[in-house]
Amino acid sequence: QVQLVESGGGLVKPGGSLRLSCAASGFTFSDYYMSWIRQAPGKGLEWVSYISGSSSNTNYADSVKGRFTISRDNAKNSLFLQMNSLRAEDTAVYYCAREFCGGDCYLDYWGQGSLVTVSS
Amino acid sequence: EIVLTQSPGTLSLSPGERTTLSCRASQSISSTYLAWYQQKPGQAPRLLIYGASSRATGIPDRFSGSGSGTDFTLTISRLEPEDFGVYYCQQYGSSVTWTFGQGTKVEIK
Repeated sequence: QVQLVESGGGLVKPGGSLRLSCAASGFTFSDYYMSWIRQAPGKGLEWVSYISGSSSNTNYADSVKGRFTISRDNAKNSLFLQMNSLRAEDTAVYYCAREFCGGDCYLDYWGQGSLVTVSS
Repeated sequence: EIVLTQSPGTLSLSPGERTTLSCRASQSISSTYLAWYQQKPGQAPRLLIYGASSRATGIPDRFSGSGSGTDFTLTISRLEPEDFGVYYCQQYGSSVTWTFGQGTKVEIK
């Protein structure tokens, strides 16, 4: 069965860096686009970034562009999010999700999330 | 940038009731790119509906989606206790981005 497991969250000071990981299993990882979505405490969902299966295409929300970098290692079935110059407003639970686009497009599987807290 | 507006913000309902949640887009979108998710406290979102009206695997038939253009709805025909939570609509944009509505909370009356 499809599983996505995030790790790497924690407490970091403003201006600091953190790297999130998402371990995928149960499907051919390289065949799928993957996304990161975040949810600030008590708030709604915000898409952060996506990456194509071959890593040739990436995109970012304006709120993180230039500070966050998405990457993947298909040999290790892993997705990453490097977060630099972190701000208090980046505090959120970060989810990785698998994209399915075959006519319809949707996020069909989600990890359980990893909490990132940016505070001094 | 397309904005999705969900209404109402909160619904207070009893088990067994029927309810309709609304998602309105700021401009016309393709129904193939409109999905609905359910999120319970402390859990990740779960895909309910894709392509505006197709149920995801394992989703009970009391959930149905409809709509086109700028107006989309999610209907729950008869609320079960496990259906309470927050529901989000989402669209996949032409600039390869994902946009979510702000959510509708369905709570127990």
